[in-house]
Amino acid sequence: ETGVTQTPRHLVMGMTNKKSLKCEQHLGHNAMYWYKQSAKKPLELMFVYNFKEQTENNSVPSRFSPECPNSSHLFLHLHTLQPEDSALYLCASSLGLDRPYGYTFGSGTRLTVV
Amino acid sequence: GENVEQHPSTLSVQEGDSAVIKCTYSDSASNYFPWYKQELGKRPQLIIDIRSNVGEKKDQRIAVTLNKTAKHFSLHITETQPEDSAVYFCAATSWDFGNEKLTFGTGTRLTIIP
Repeated sequence: ETGVTQTPRHLVMGMTNKKSLKCEQHLGHNAMYWYKQSAKKPLELMFVYNFKEQTENNSVPSRFSPECPNSSHLFLHLHTLQPEDSALYLCASSLGLDRPYGYTFGSGTRLTVV
Repeated sequence: GENVEQHPSTLSVQEGDSAVIKCTYSDSASNYFPWYKQELGKRPQLIIDIRSNVGEKKDQRIAVTLNKTAKHFSLHITETQPEDSAVYFCAATSWDFGNEKLTFGTGTRLTIIP
């Protein structure tokens, strides 16, 4: 483990379901990120949080709803997803937005929407 | 904003030969350039990074070179081994409304042929 833990590792959900992805880090980092990684696309930045405040939303559909209750935890709430949302969702953290060093990724959640 | 281009998208190399992956960036203010390796089914992991005050950095079989004038940097892997097979991502820092963030390249799938 690198210090960034994501759960669950795998998730299969129907288009009408509601589920949440969880990310946790105890590295003392202040910035946390959600990325989407699909088969033929690069790492797509979705959301950025710095000191638990959202600083960036890269035109992500509202069916993805992030939550950051504190600097150590990050959630991604999912509802009414589409099959094209099936992908690997990676969480990452770094020291802070002003210092993107020590960028550490979690193992990801493999999401399949059926 | 920053634009990072990575080439090639796929690369096959005979075991023992060298592999080179190139990236270009657009933001002349970028000053930190990490490389990540992602093995199949695993998280991206930092393998080497370079800051703008040096032109080359080496760690055993891996080296990175940086040309700030031309705004490009490259990853060099010598004496390739089967375990080098993975997807490699380059990244560059960029500034966005006072915050520094990483922008990733599109990835290179490296296959080492035994």
